[in-house]
Amino acid sequence: DTEVTQTPKHLVMGMTNKKSLKCEQHMGHRAMYWYKQKAKKPPELMFVYSYEKLSINESVPSRFSPECPNSSLLNLHLHALQPEDSALYLCASSRGLADRTDTQYFGPGTRLTVL
Amino acid sequence: EDQVTQSPEALRLQEGESSSLNCSYTVSGLRGLFWYRQDPGKGPEFLFTLYSAGEEKEKERLKATLTKKESFLHITAPKPEDSATYLCAVRQGAQKLVFGQGTRLTINP
Repeated sequence: DTEVTQTPKHLVMGMTNKKSLKCEQHMGHRAMYWYKQKAKKPPELMFVYSYEKLSINESVPSRFSPECPNSSLLNLHLHALQPEDSALYLCASSRGLADRTDTQYFGPGTRLTVL
Repeated sequence: EDQVTQSPEALRLQEGESSSLNCSYTVSGLRGLFWYRQDPGKGPEFLFTLYSAGEEKEKERLKATLTKKESFLHITAPKPEDSATYLCAVRQGAQKLVFGQGTRLTINP
């Protein structure tokens, strides 16, 4: 089973709201990822957690705050977002092995609209 | 700097009309080339990983091939349900994927 789940599917928030995106996997993967995807563009990496530790932050603004409570869960806390942050937010996971066979599997995404 | 370029940007085919999508890459030491399929508003679905020039992988009507400079995704006798955006990516470092812009494929019945 290569399933990554994300909630909610859709989220509308104002610029002053605080909300969170959630991601879960039960494949025993030890690396989890957040991507942002704008319309007709490829996914852009935001954060990587490896063995519950933040290993990559692609210079993402502080209004996005990731959290990895355990090896199966990944959250993205949102605060004071801008309309240009509206996008599809994708979570992915992989075994976390530092070899070329490591494959990332994506969840269905959360469609975020910032008003 | 690692780069991935996909062509064409968009492709329309009739059902049953075979064709190929191209992914050209520039990397310092290939550590995996990945093909994903993405339906509108959904997350990318993993299709194939290729590691070495000459390698080929198949799945139903899709066949991916790899040379030292590019990869092709051949689609044979496509059906309307094959319509999607096909993304190519290369691994950069241990965990980062560098994606191409994608090819939007439409199969008309």
